[in-house]
Amino acid sequence: EDKVVQSPLSLVVHEGDTVTLNCSYEVTNFRSLLWYKQEKKAPTFLFMLTSSGIEKKSGRLSSILDKKELSSILNITATQTGDSAIYLCAAVTLSNFGNEKLTFGTGTRLTIIP
Amino acid sequence: DTGVSQDPRHKITKRGQNVTFRCDPISEHNRLYWYRQTLGQGPEFLTYFQNEAQLEKSRLLSDRFSAERPKGSFSTLEIQRTEQGDSAMYLCASSPPGRAGEQYFGPGTRLTVT
Repeated sequence: EDKVVQSPLSLVVHEGDTVTLNCSYEVTNFRSLLWYKQEKKAPTFLFMLTSSGIEKKSGRLSSILDKKELSSILNITATQTGDSAIYLCAAVTLSNFGNEKLTFGTGTRLTIIP
Repeated sequence: DTGVSQDPRHKITKRGQNVTFRCDPISEHNRLYWYRQTLGQGPEFLTYFQNEAQLEKSRLLSDRFSAERPKGSFSTLEIQRTEQGDSAMYLCASSPPGRAGEQYFGPGTRLTVT
């Protein structure tokens, strides 16, 4: 069964700190890895990573995929209170029927203290 | 608003009743997904449509659950004879042609079965 594990489960830091969130996956027919941010509603898309070693960046957020280690990290620099959220990663795989499906981790709950 | 929309946002029902939820995807997206999310967990895949065809269903989708997308636009998810274990957030997502892994989520319908 496909599995995605995120660590830490919860993280509390002060505003201005830099954080690194981890995601590892054990899946069959891996296609890509996605990161989402979830506040008090539905997840919002952050990054899609397909190639190993190529960093994707959006403002203070960046992410990279390591296909050899079957993992990805999400970095947030100079954190702000608005970064407080649950960060989800999901592995995109090809199902037995040839369709793409997502398997999500349980998320990392990030809390930024002013 | 051109995002994914869901209706209703909240539903409280008594055990044994039937409920139906609606999802309107982003208009140019051909793929539509239903997920269920419980507290402290990432979204779990339920089913997926490409246009009007339902291509895949999870084992989680018991025979009390049925989903339709009759004209390849909006979709409905019906739960018959609801049970307390059905209480969850039901999320809908859509993705554009050729980018199935890049899913955009609606705000969700929170179901409470009493």
